[in-house]
Amino acid sequence: RKEVEQDPGPFNVPEGATVAFNCTYSNSASQSFFWYRQDCRKEPKLLMSVYSSGNEDGRFTAQLNRASQYISLLIRDSKLSDSATYLCVVNKFGSSNTGKLIFGQGTTLQVKP
Amino acid sequence: EAQVTQNPRYLITVTGKKLTVTCSQNMNHEYMSWYRQDPGLGLRQIYYSMNVEVTDKGDVPEGYKVSRKEKRNFPLILESPSPNQTSLYFCASSKRGYYEQYFGPGTRLTVT
Repeated sequence: RKEVEQDPGPFNVPEGATVAFNCTYSNSASQSFFWYRQDCRKEPKLLMSVYSSGNEDGRFTAQLNRASQYISLLIRDSKLSDSATYLCVVNKFGSSNTGKLIFGQGTTLQVKP
Repeated sequence: EAQVTQNPRYLITVTGKKLTVTCSQNMNHEYMSWYRQDPGLGLRQIYYSMNVEVTDKGDVPEGYKVSRKEKRNFPLILESPSPNQTSLYFCASSKRGYYEQYFGPGTRLTVT
């Protein structure tokens, strides 16, 4: 089982639609969760951190479900500019407690006019 | 402006010719990391550094070397590049290994 799993998509939605992505993680000890956005062959950019209580940033809402070990990203009122790949990222602590981030393979979103 | 820079952005080279990709950050971050990204495989960590003079292997370290002599710089060295190292490479930095990471613009490497 992969440490972080995402549905690769693509998700094709019309402008104005609401779309949701889920991501599951295997390490129950994970403490930090993030969503990154990556445009085609460009660097990943932090979209938002995911907090236990859930958090919202404009049209974007992120939620964490520790019991089921998944995080979600909801995008409301989709814009053409939201077309990108969304990476789910979870931290992992090694035996020496060094910590590292594990990146999912990403979910591709295409917003159509 | 807080940023991570990489050079060169594009590089075409031949098998066996040593090369170095530089990475520099101006955020005083302790943690730095190199990733490669290939279609269908996502981001895979090559090497990382927890601080100056502290480096360790990631998931795919074979064929690569790194050094961390200064806090801001973390060069990636390919002593004898091979075609299977053709990829898109990203450098990233963060305060700590499990904090959010900030990425450089990427280096597209082709080895023929």
